[in-house]
Amino acid sequence: QQQVKQSPQSLIVQKGGISIINCAYENTAFDYFPWYQQFPGKGPALLIAIRPDVSEKKEGRFTISFNKSAKQFSLHIMDSQPGDSATYFCAARLNDYKLSFGAGTTVTVRA
Amino acid sequence: NAGVTQTPKFRILKIGQSMTLQCTQDMNHNYMYWYRQDPGMGLKLIYYSVGAGITDKGEVPNGYNVSRSTTEDFPLRLELAAPSQTSVYFCASSYVTVGELFFGEGSRLTVL
Repeated sequence: QQQVKQSPQSLIVQKGGISIINCAYENTAFDYFPWYQQFPGKGPALLIAIRPDVSEKKEGRFTISFNKSAKQFSLHIMDSQPGDSATYFCAARLNDYKLSFGAGTTVTVRA
Repeated sequence: NAGVTQTPKFRILKIGQSMTLQCTQDMNHNYMYWYRQDPGMGLKLIYYSVGAGITDKGEVPNGYNVSRSTTEDFPLRLELAAPSQTSVYFCASSYVTVGELFFGEGSRLTVL
């Protein structure tokens, strides 16, 4: 049972376009929402994270939008580049030790 | 700094065999974790440790065991391997609570 539901499973975007990945959760006890980026053959790496008292966080071309009332959050990749082609995982922290991960979205940026 | 190092990178096991996946970190992190990654399923927590001598079960601990005798090392033991344990295994660490996780490059295990 996935505590964090992520969509779409995969997406293809043209270079320069916007990639949008959505996540939804039910447990209001989650207190921290990171996104991880994973390249083939590598482990995931933290990309950007947000706390539920903030509605938006931007780091370069990556933006998290957070809607606490809807229990949804999303990752926007602006001006997508071929180097952004990777699998992206949203996650939610329940307590000091446990992150619940979404199923992942494979992003392919076509040149 | 090497970060989190996992060995082996690839392994094929026969049903019923046992093996240990090794994990070591050089960042002096207190918290260490083992996850498994299956296609379309994200990452599932197997076991975690908050310090030397302290371990606890995650979401999917059955068929696995861990130990933490030092801050640096957190090996994962598979006893009586089954095809359902075919997966990519990731070790991770964090300095304090599970904020930023630092992952190793993974160990791909196939059980035939």
